[in-house]
Amino acid sequence: EAGVAQSPRYKIIEKRQSVAFWCNPISGHATLYWYQQILGQGPKLLIQFQNNGVVDDSQLPKDRFSAERLKGVDSTLKIQPAKLEDSAVYLCASSLDPKYTEAFFGQGTRLTVV
Amino acid sequence: AQRVTQPEKLLSVFKGAPVELKCNYSYSGSPELFWYVQYSRQRLQLLLRHISRESIKGFTADLNKGETSFHLKKPFAQEEDSAMYYCALSPSGGYQKVTFGTGTKLQVIP
Repeated sequence: EAGVAQSPRYKIIEKRQSVAFWCNPISGHATLYWYQQILGQGPKLLIQFQNNGVVDDSQLPKDRFSAERLKGVDSTLKIQPAKLEDSAVYLCASSLDPKYTEAFFGQGTRLTVV
Repeated sequence: AQRVTQPEKLLSVFKGAPVELKCNYSYSGSPELFWYVQYSRQRLQLLLRHISRESIKGFTADLNKGETSFHLKKPFAQEEDSAMYYCALSPSGGYQKVTFGTGTKLQVIP
C-alpha cells in the first residue's frame, strides 16, 4: 500500500516568515499525527486528529502553529511567524485508529529557519 | 508527567555480539511501551510493542514494572541492525500522547 506522503521534503526560510507543510495519510486511516523532531531529540507530538476533529493539541504552540485536516483526509501544518527554534524535522503519521494499531510515518519535512 | 529515558546516545557492538538497548520510563499508571527503529534514509517504523510479546527480527523486549524498564535485546547483532532506536510510551494504550525517548544509535561493527 502507498505510504504516508509529505511535502516538501526540505524547506529553508528566514525567521518571521511563514511556512506550511502538507501530509496525505494512508487511505482509510482515521487518525493523523504531527510530530516535531528537533536534532538529537525524539519526536514530540504536536497534534492528533481523529477524522477531522482534534483529539490532542496540548503541545502545539498555538500562538504560532496551526493545523487542520479538512474532510478528514489531508492535513496541513502551518507556522507563522517562524522562529529559529522551530528548526526541526516535522513528521506526519497515520493509523487506522488510535488504539492498538500501528502508526505509519512519512519521510518528514526538514525545516531550517535562518 | 510521563518520561522516557534512553541513557546511551551511541552503542557500538561487534557483529555476533549480544545487544541491549536500555530504556527506562516514568509513569504512575500502566503504560504501553514500544520500540521504534529508523534505518538510514528510511522512515521511522514500529519494531515491537510490549503487549504483543513477540520477537521481531530477533529482537525482544520485556516490560519490567518493578524497575520501570523496557530494554531491547538481541542475542547476536547483525550489520543490518545498525539504526536509530527509539523507546516510546503511551499512557492509555494505543498511540495517544506517545512520548518518545531521545534515541540510541546502534552501530554494529563488521
